[in-house]
Amino acid sequence: DIQMTQSPSSLSASAGDRVTITCRASQSISRYLNWYQQKPGKAPKLLIYAASSLQSGVPSRFSGSGSGTDFTLTISSLQPEDFATYYCQQSYSAPPTFGQGTKVEI
Amino acid sequence: QVTLRESGPALVKPTQTLTLTCTFSGFSLTTSGMCVNWIRQPPGKALEWLARIDWDDDKYYSTSLKTRLTISKDTSKNQVVLTMTNMDPVDTATYYCARITHPQSSGFDYWGQGTLVTVSS
Repeated sequence: DIQMTQSPSSLSASAGDRVTITCRASQSISRYLNWYQQKPGKAPKLLIYAASSLQSGVPSRFSGSGSGTDFTLTISSLQPEDFATYYCQQSYSAPPTFGQGTKVEI
Repeated sequence: QVTLRESGPALVKPTQTLTLTCTFSGFSLTTSGMCVNWIRQPPGKALEWLARIDWDDDKYYSTSLKTRLTISKDTSKNQVVLTMTNMDPVDTATYYCARITHPQSSGFDYWGQGTLVTVSS
């Protein structure tokens, strides 16, 4: 199975900050990398698919980049509603695997 | 619009078999590329993918859980069923079903609200 490692595990930030979360795959996954946001008690929400494609309805302050083994999710200006846990997930090969999550706190 | 809803028991005893049903609407599991997945999340922990069934009836399972899982579909009822045998307290989690429209190039774009399953005697 492909292992996905996110860093950091948690971070503290303020509204308006630029936030970057990193995800590393244990082998090359081309650009088959997706990002999700999860708030407490809710199902995850797809933000970015195929490394950099913005899911419909997702604000443009979210962006993704990377290919091969290293990927980044960037929030250009953190909003109060963005405080949540973020997960990366590879869809290059079955079984799909998730990172351990990054909690973005105030 | 696309919706998915999980249903099943909230409490199961150790060694019992869990059966969960995902009932969906707004898409067809006969459409090429369409897949339904099961994903779980223990309290306070990360997401863990469990199983997937494809439009062509191909099935995929978690490496660590494959001996305990069976996934099936009933396209006439728009349902996907997951069974997990020999339940243990460590299987306590919220279980989600989620759709993908292409196994590689799409993410899980629609999710059910999740159902919490507690394993306890």
